[in-house]
Amino acid sequence: EAQVTQNPRYLITVTGKKLTVTCSQNMNHEYMSWYRQDPGLGLRQIYYSMNVEVTDKGDVPEGYKVSRKEKRNFPLILESPSPNQTSLYFCASSLTQGGTEAFFGQGTRLTVV
Amino acid sequence: GNSVTQMEGPVTLSEEAFLTINCTYTATGYPSLFWYVQYPGEGLQLLLKATKADDKGSNKGFEATYRKETTSFHLEKGSVQVSDSAVYFCALIYNNAGNMLTFGGGTRLMVKP
Repeated sequence: EAQVTQNPRYLITVTGKKLTVTCSQNMNHEYMSWYRQDPGLGLRQIYYSMNVEVTDKGDVPEGYKVSRKEKRNFPLILESPSPNQTSLYFCASSLTQGGTEAFFGQGTRLTVV
Repeated sequence: GNSVTQMEGPVTLSEEAFLTINCTYTATGYPSLFWYVQYPGEGLQLLLKATKADDKGSNKGFEATYRKETTSFHLEKGSVQVSDSAVYFCALIYNNAGNMLTFGGGTRLMVKP
C-alpha cells in the first residue's frame, strides 16, 4: 500500500529539548516536504527536498532543520523547540513533475510547553 | 507571490443540501489547482484537481472548474452527506515553485442528518 508514515503521532515536550519527527514514504517519490497546520492559516511549507541531499527552505523554515540522506526518509528536526512551534505537522511526498498528487502522512501533533 | 483565498467556515448544512465552497487564487502564469479533504484525525487526501483553464475536476460527487478569467476554483456538490463532514483545502502548485503547494486557510464543513 502506498503511504507516507510519520512518527510519532502525538508528542508533548518541553522548551529547548531537541526532537525529531520521522517521515518515510514507499512510493519512490523524489519530492518530499514538511508543512505545519495552524488554525485559520491552512498549511504552510517548512522545508522541501527535490531529491537526495537536495533540500531548501519553504515559507516558514525558522527553528527547523531537515536532512535527506536516503530517498525514502525526510526527518524534521527541532534543535531547540519553543511554544510557538506547537502545531500539527504533516509530511508529504510526490513525483517531481508539477501538477502531480501529493500524498500526506497522518500528521504529528506537537505541543511544546 | 502566490496565494489562495477560500471562504471561512464553518459551513453547516443539512443532508442533501447543495454545497459551494468558494476559492480564488493569485498566481503568475498557469498553476495547477487542487482540492484536498481532511477527515477528523487524518492527513490530507486529494479530492480532485485541474491542471489547465476550463478543466473540470470531479470525484465522489464533488466538482470544481478551473476558471482563468475569474481566477477561481469553487468546489460544489449537489447533495451532501453526513460522511462529507471534513475540512476542505483549496491549493495550487505553480511549477516554478518547486512543487510547493500553496494552501488556502481551509473550510470546515459540518453536515447534519
